[in-house]
Amino acid sequence: DAGITQSPRYKITETGRQVTLMCHQTWSHSYMFWYRQDLGHGLRLIYYSAAADITDKGEVPDGYVVSRSKTENFPLTLESATRSQTSVYFCASCQSPATGELFFGEGSRLTVL
Amino acid sequence: AQSVTQLDSQVPVFEEAPVELRCNYSSSVSVYLFWYVQYPNQGLQLLLKYLSGSTLVKGINGFEAEFNKSQTSFHLRKPSVHISDTAEYFCAVSSSAGGTSYGKLTFGQGTILTVHP
Repeated sequence: DAGITQSPRYKITETGRQVTLMCHQTWSHSYMFWYRQDLGHGLRLIYYSAAADITDKGEVPDGYVVSRSKTENFPLTLESATRSQTSVYFCASCQSPATGELFFGEGSRLTVL
Repeated sequence: AQSVTQLDSQVPVFEEAPVELRCNYSSSVSVYLFWYVQYPNQGLQLLLKYLSGSTLVKGINGFEAEFNKSQTSFHLRKPSVHISDTAEYFCAVSSSAGGTSYGKLTFGQGTILTVHP
């Protein structure tokens, strides 16, 4: 099915471990985004990518790494997870960011113990 | 830099009553404005958007919003709500000009709308 899928949907890990959240979209959208959602903060942009091999920092990039070797995939890696990274992570994509219609995945709920 | 403030964190209403969810924004350049809805355990989906033209925009599910440039507001309204409208609603802004903010959505903190029978 066409769409944007995230995996895993739920993940529990321990402080200091490396975690990778996967995001895959089938629309060939140029732009992809990673947001985190926390109570009282809404959604905050972590990283975004305008095309394959082009990535840039968002509002809260510290502690995260991204890559985009293929247009359809945009994995987010927490190199050494901390408790403050406990959150719900959303991947989104769009063809033209100017129109504002982002298509979101269902989210990945990460708990860092 | 741009920012969004949603003035109410929670709005309880009874079914068939009207509702208004308030959103103010701040930006040094011209903007595009959006409302997204998030149902429980789902991602966000676009309700409506203002890019240009008429300041009153209509979206899905009977929602509408009015762009007020002088008051830097983009309030969301629905004349009669249904139980199924219970969700969290996010206002968002992006820059319509070039620069570092172009194309990047900035979201408000969200408003939880709860519709009671």
